[in-house]
Amino acid sequence: GQQLNQSPQSMFIQEGEDVSMNCTSSSIFNTWLWYKQDPGEGPVLLIALYKAGELTSNGRLTAQFGITRKDSFLNISASIPSDVGIYFCAGPSNSNSGYALNFGKGTSLLVTP
Amino acid sequence: NAGVTQTPKFRVLKTGQSMTLLCAQDMNHEYMYWYRQDPGMGLRLIHYSVGEGTTAKGEVPDGYNVSRLKKQNFLLGLESAAPSQTSVYFCASSFSGRVGQPQHFGDGTRLSIL
Repeated sequence: GQQLNQSPQSMFIQEGEDVSMNCTSSSIFNTWLWYKQDPGEGPVLLIALYKAGELTSNGRLTAQFGITRKDSFLNISASIPSDVGIYFCAGPSNSNSGYALNFGKGTSLLVTP
Repeated sequence: NAGVTQTPKFRVLKTGQSMTLLCAQDMNHEYMYWYRQDPGMGLRLIHYSVGEGTTAKGEVPDGYNVSRLKKQNFLLGLESAAPSQTSVYFCASSFSGRVGQPQHFGDGTRLSIL
């Protein structure tokens, strides 16, 4: 299947700072999804993007569907301690399991008070 | 509103033992999925189901079997557990199979094989 590369792999920031992370694909996507996983829990959908160039916000989170359709970006403004977790990008899998999602390896975010 | 519920939450097995992980969803979703999550590997699809009575293989199906006898339940079985199957297992469901349809996840089952 296609590869999803997330960067950075981890981030260690202070409360109040802004955060940026991105995800790139080896092939064109028509959908980008961003999930957050809190420690000890399952991933929770944050933002879904369905159109190239689309910019969508969810509170302090903003995600963009790249114009090339091979990348997506997630920004978090004014980070707070509860932003701690692993952030995953995901897109449709082009394998035989056509309904499944293909996940990146995640960006681990740590926020210090 | 429970969403997706997985049982058990934790389990330790000895090599060669068998067990079944249960996933239940109360959202009337047609599609259900089993993933495993290993450090640095993200989530990888094991098996999935597009409706009651149907199952299909995902990316890493070897060593696992599944059944979907009822729409709301999706079972994952390990017939003869191996240490390589030590992982966190997540079940997910979605309303439709539209490409990129968001999936709703349970809180996971943490499985250790000794």
